[in-house]
Amino acid sequence: DTAVSQTPKYLVTQMGNDKSIKCEQNLGHDTMYWYKQDSKKFLKIMFSYNNKELIINETVPNRFSPKSPDKAHLNLHINSLELGDSAVYFCASSQARAGNEQFFGPGTRLTVL
Amino acid sequence: SQKIEQNSEALNIQEGKTATLTCNYTNYSPAYLQWYRQDPGRGPVFLLLIRENEKEKRKERLKVTFDTTLKQSLFHITASQPADSATYLCALDPLNSGYSTLTFGKGTMLLVSP
Repeated sequence: DTAVSQTPKYLVTQMGNDKSIKCEQNLGHDTMYWYKQDSKKFLKIMFSYNNKELIINETVPNRFSPKSPDKAHLNLHINSLELGDSAVYFCASSQARAGNEQFFGPGTRLTVL
Repeated sequence: SQKIEQNSEALNIQEGKTATLTCNYTNYSPAYLQWYRQDPGRGPVFLLLIRENEKEKRKERLKVTFDTTLKQSLFHITASQPADSATYLCALDPLNSGYSTLTFGKGTMLLVSP
C-alpha cells in the first residue's frame, strides 16, 4: 500500500536517448509534482499538475514533457538526454489546497552516460 | 533575489542533547513554512508545518518556531537519538497562486552520536 510510487528506481542510459519515468499516487490527492535533486542535494520544483492540468512549469528545458493521464498519475518524458540531466527525480503529491504537506515518492536515480 | 539558507555544514551532537537547525530566508513572504526529513536514498518525509501567524508548533520531540520579522525558522529536536540522524530540509510556500509551491533549502545534515 505504497502512497506515492515511481518506476523505475534506477535508470542508466546513453546521451541522446529518450526515457520516461512513471509516478502513481493512491492518496486521492488532486495535485502532483515533479522535483529534481541534483548532485548537491538541491531539491527544485519542475512541474505541478492539479486535476490533470499543468499549473506550475518552472524554467525547465522543453525536452522535459510531463503527462497526466488521470489525477493519480503523472509521468515525465525526457527527450535527447544530456549529461546534465543526471539527478534524482522525485514525484510528490498533495491536496490541492495550499499549505498542505507533500508526500514524496522514493525517487528515480537517472544516470546519463 | 530570493534565498533560503540552511547550515551547509553537518551538525554533530550527542545523544540526549537538543539539536537546533536554522532556516533563514530573504526576499520571501511565505504564508507557510514546512520542515522535511530526508534519509539517504529516500524521498523527503513531512514533519511539521507552521503558518505565518504562528510563532511555534510542537509535535512530540519536535518544535518549530517561525519569526517573520527575523525571517527565520528554528527546528528543534529534543532528547535526540541516533535514529534522528538525517538531512533536514526547510521549505517555504508563498501561496501566490492558491496552490502549494514549495521552495526548498539545501538542507542540514544532523548526526547524532550515541
